[in-house]
Amino acid sequence: GAGVSQSPSNKVTEKGKDVELRCDPISGHTALYWYRQSLGQGLEFLIYFQGNSAPDKSGLPSDRFSAERTGGSVSTLTIQRTQQEDSAVYLCASSSRLAGGDEQFFGPGTRLTVL
Amino acid sequence: KQEVTQIPAALSVPEGENLVLNCSFTDSAIYNLQWFRQDPGKGLTSLLLIQSSQREQTSGRLNASLDKSSGRSTLYIAASQPGDSATYLCAVMGGANNLFFGTGTRLTVIP
Repeated sequence: GAGVSQSPSNKVTEKGKDVELRCDPISGHTALYWYRQSLGQGLEFLIYFQGNSAPDKSGLPSDRFSAERTGGSVSTLTIQRTQQEDSAVYLCASSSRLAGGDEQFFGPGTRLTVL
Repeated sequence: KQEVTQIPAALSVPEGENLVLNCSFTDSAIYNLQWFRQDPGKGLTSLLLIQSSQREQTSGRLNASLDKSSGRSTLYIAASQPGDSATYLCAVMGGANNLFFGTGTRLTVIP
């Protein structure tokens, strides 16, 4: 079956530009997560969506970062006025139920490079 | 804040050896622990999920154990193969709705 997909796979942008990253979770999965993997820093949580509940935005590093999830499925992570320190691999994951019980399945990631 | 540590950071073994990867976490109030592998330039592949009420999980040549009270987990790989070469990540889920990741162990299995 189809796994989590992300697009684009690679994105190069200039400092100050806005970017949008897309995530298609596994069909039927109600929970969706965004993480960031920076060189030498490991994986860090950004934001979590569960069904129609308000998202948990506690991991977003600044107000330049935002995310939405339309129709409980596809999610878009937007970074405004990109900075060089935003360069990282952005990973999306989904799971089938409320947090605390279920295995998270990850997409291949979007590698963002800010020049 | 939950902190997850993985030791060693890198490991090289000859093909056929059994090996153990270690993971420790500071807050024992977890819902589950998940082991992943990551190949260079790729996303994460889930290997094993251990619920907080469980002690171990097995899948093929992999066995993961969990000792919640001491904040430790191990991933045992039997009869290692060159295809097992990858970075192995341990992650725990606590009261917040996200995983806390270790920095990984980079495994190289030498043919």
